[in-house]
Formats: sequence, structure tokens, C-alpha cells
Amino acid sequence: DAGVTQSPTHLIKTRGQQVTLRCSPKSGHDTVSWYQQALGQGPQFIFQYYEEEERQRGNFPDRFSGHQFPNYSSELNVNALLLGDSALYLCASSQTTSGEETQYFGPGTRLLVL
Amino acid sequence: AQKITQTQPGMFVQEKEAVTLDCTYDTSDPSYGLFWYKQPSSGEMIFLIYQGSYDQQNATEGRYSLNFQKARKSANLVISASQLGDSAMYFCAMREWGQNFVFGPGTRLSVLP
Repeated sequence: DAGVTQSPTHLIKTRGQQVTLRCSPKSGHDTVSWYQQALGQGPQFIFQYYEEEERQRGNFPDRFSGHQFPNYSSELNVNALLLGDSALYLCASSQTTSGEETQYFGPGTRLLVL
Repeated sequence: AQKITQTQPGMFVQEKEAVTLDCTYDTSDPSYGLFWYKQPSSGEMIFLIYQGSYDQQNATEGRYSLNFQKARKSANLVISASQLGDSAMYFCAMREWGQNFVFGPGTRLSVLP
């Protein structure tokens, strides 16, 4: 049973560039959530996708956008990168249709903006 | 206002001893879930245990148990018989009905041989 996978594992970008992170949910899951975790802090919710639509959004600017594909995989895009965007980006999947609340996380993508 | 408070930035425990990690939460919603996750240095968040607000009994999963005191709004994680591999960051999280996860700041647990 494949768990949540994310790619790439590490990424280095410069200010002003754009980045795309990818996530494949756990088998049988239909919902993907993205989190940003700065060093030494807990994860902060960015947004959640279900049925290919953004269902909820946290307090993040429009530079952060996403997409969910018909196979439930998801992308997180960040435009006009800032130094403060350096963080661990975590993807979590869950199953809305069953009412299961637990979110299962992937290994994360470490983004460094120089 | 902080929804999840973890007052212990760091904790030490001797191998094979039990340890309690504190978590208090703030909500006016009667329906919510409480979660604990472990984050080793590799970064992956590992789900440990879940407690629903309407559950009558404290949740247990192997060596992990959740001491749920609803009136005090606390959901402390108890790890019995600590192992060296338990050294990690531990996060308490809450999900109110229809909302998304809110995480606490975490507690770093170090297990001493």
C-alpha cells in the first residue's frame, strides 16, 4: 500500500523564480492538503483540494496556488519566490468520502530560496 | 489566540521510562478531533493517535495513549517504555468540524540511553 509521495525532495531557487511541487496521495485517498513548515515551527495550512477544486485556504497570498488532477495527485505552485518562502512543504492526504479525519503526510519537499 | 498550546519546548526521558507530552487546545465547537504526530529529523510527519471529542474512552495505540480531559481542554500524549527511536519532535493538532488542521508548536523529545 503506497503512502503519500512528494517530489522533489530538495530544491534550491533564487528570489523571484517560480516553483512547482508535486504530491501523490495514499492509495484510496481523494483529498490533498498542503502545509508550509518553517524551521522550528509547526506546519501551517496552505490549502486543500477535493474533487479538483480548492476547498479551503489558509492565510497565504495568491502567489501560492495549486491544482488537483483526476487521479487525485496535486501540485503546489509558488510564484515570485521570497526568501521567507524557504521551508519544508508537506503534503497530506485523507479520504473525504469515508469521513475519515486522519491526514497522512508525505516526506516533504525542502525548499531553499537564495 | 493560539488554538493549540504545547508548553514544553523540550523534554528528556530515560530509556524504558514513560513520558507525558502536554497539549491544551481552545475551541467552542462541540465536534472536533485531536491528533498527535511524530516528526523525526527526516521531516516526515508520522500519525500516532486520534481522539474524537465525543469518544468516551481515551485512545490507545500500542505504546501511545492519549489522556483526554475534555473539561480542561487537554489532550496529553503518554508514551510508555520509551525507546531511543522515540527521539523526535511531537506535534499536537486539532481539527474542528469542517475546518482544517491546526498544529501546535511542538515538543522535542530526547530519549537518553
